Amino acid sequence: DGGITQSPKYLFRKEGQNVTLSCEQNLNHDAMYWYRQDPGQGLRLIYYSQIVNDFQKGDIAEGYSVSREKKESFPLTVTSAQKNPTAFYLCASSPRRVTGELFFGEGSRLTVL
Amino acid sequence: AQSVTQPDIHITVSEGASLELRCNYSYGATPYLFWYVQSPGQGLQLLLKYFSGDTLVQGIKGFEAEFKRSQSSFNLRKPSVHWSDAAEYFCAVGGVYGGSQGNLIFGKGTKLSVKP
Repeated sequence: DGGITQSPKYLFRKEGQNVTLSCEQNLNHDAMYWYRQDPGQGLRLIYYSQIVNDFQKGDIAEGYSVSREKKESFPLTVTSAQKNPTAFYLCASSPRRVTGELFFGEGSRLTVL
Repeated sequence: AQSVTQPDIHITVSEGASLELRCNYSYGATPYLFWYVQSPGQGLQLLLKYFSGDTLVQGIKGFEAEFKRSQSSFNLRKPSVHWSDAAEYFCAVGGVYGGSQGNLIFGKGTKLSVKP
């Protein structure tokens, strides 16, 4: 079945540590996205990529980094510079040049201890 | 500025009752409009979308939404709610803005609870 796989589903991290969240898709979509979700805040865009080897900052990119070396993969690193990293992280993809409809993974919940 | 407002943070309805979730948007171009649903601890699933044409759109799970340009609204409706509809619902707007495809802008969500 085609879809988006995020891992791990749950992750615990000590303060000061970097952590990488995985996102893989087999939908052959060009565009991929990372969102952060906090209670009552909706979804906020962290980074997005429209094509391999290219990505752009979203609204809340500080303290995060990404790479897009393969079409299928768009990992997100939460660095120690992110002041409040505890959140639910959602990865999504969409076909390029389509009207923005997004397909979501099941999310990764990061807790900083 | 581009924005989406969902005025109701939390709504409780009885099973079998009708439902309407409100969504208002501000967008400087012809909008593409979406409703997504999220079960606790899960990702978002697309319920329905509006691009153009008939302003009443049908979606999955018996949901429908009506685009009203004059009111800048895209309200979600269901005639008879089932207990399994309890979830959080997000309205989103996107489209071509400034000559390029914009990213989706999401509302903050409306949490739906269903009473037996």
